[in-house]
Amino acid sequence: NAGVTQTPKFQVLKTGQSMTLQCAQDMNHNSMYWYRQDPGMGLRLIYYSASEGTTDKGEVPNGYNVSRLNKREFSLRLESAAPSQTSVYFCASSELSGESVGELFFGEGSRLTVL
Amino acid sequence: RKEVEQDPGPFNVPEGATVAFNCTYSNSASQSFFWYRQDCRKEPKLLMSVYSSGNEDGRFTAQLNRASQYISLLIRDSKLSDSATYLCVVKRVMTGGSYIPTFGRGTSLIVHP
Repeated sequence: NAGVTQTPKFQVLKTGQSMTLQCAQDMNHNSMYWYRQDPGMGLRLIYYSASEGTTDKGEVPNGYNVSRLNKREFSLRLESAAPSQTSVYFCASSELSGESVGELFFGEGSRLTVL
Repeated sequence: RKEVEQDPGPFNVPEGATVAFNCTYSNSASQSFFWYRQDCRKEPKLLMSVYSSGNEDGRFTAQLNRASQYISLLIRDSKLSDSATYLCVVKRVMTGGSYIPTFGRGTSLIVHP
């Protein structure tokens, strides 16, 4: 069972470069999320998509854009990378109803370094 | 004030010890509560949900105090394999039915022989 798949797992960028982190889930979940995790800061929500066709800002959206391409896929784009965006990025999905209501399923993370 | 607060630790305990973590939340509209576990350089995974009446799963007990706005996690008979970071998660349902999961910074537990 794949669950939530993120690509790439590692990436090094130069300041000003752009890139897109891809995320796909095969659990037919409605909601998807992008978090970043920095040492001592916990996970902070960047953007989320409550359902296909909708996206909303989270706690730290500046410098990022997202696209909910379809129910399975939710991508995160850095248009002009900055060193402050060096972090570990996690994609997650969840279903709003059912026995597993509330559980977040995470991808393995994408480790991004901006030089 | 951060919406979800935890003592970062680390809590350094011997095998067999009992250890407790607390987490406080600031938004009284919070509706769902969870503990996640995160191993070093891995993704978080659900440890247990927290119900109003309190709940237990083996050596783990979670409790919720809505009046004081905190949740707790108690681990009995600690094992070396319990060493990890424990993340408190609080969720609020937004207008339209979506809910926002907000994480605490995590509490680090180290269990030593």
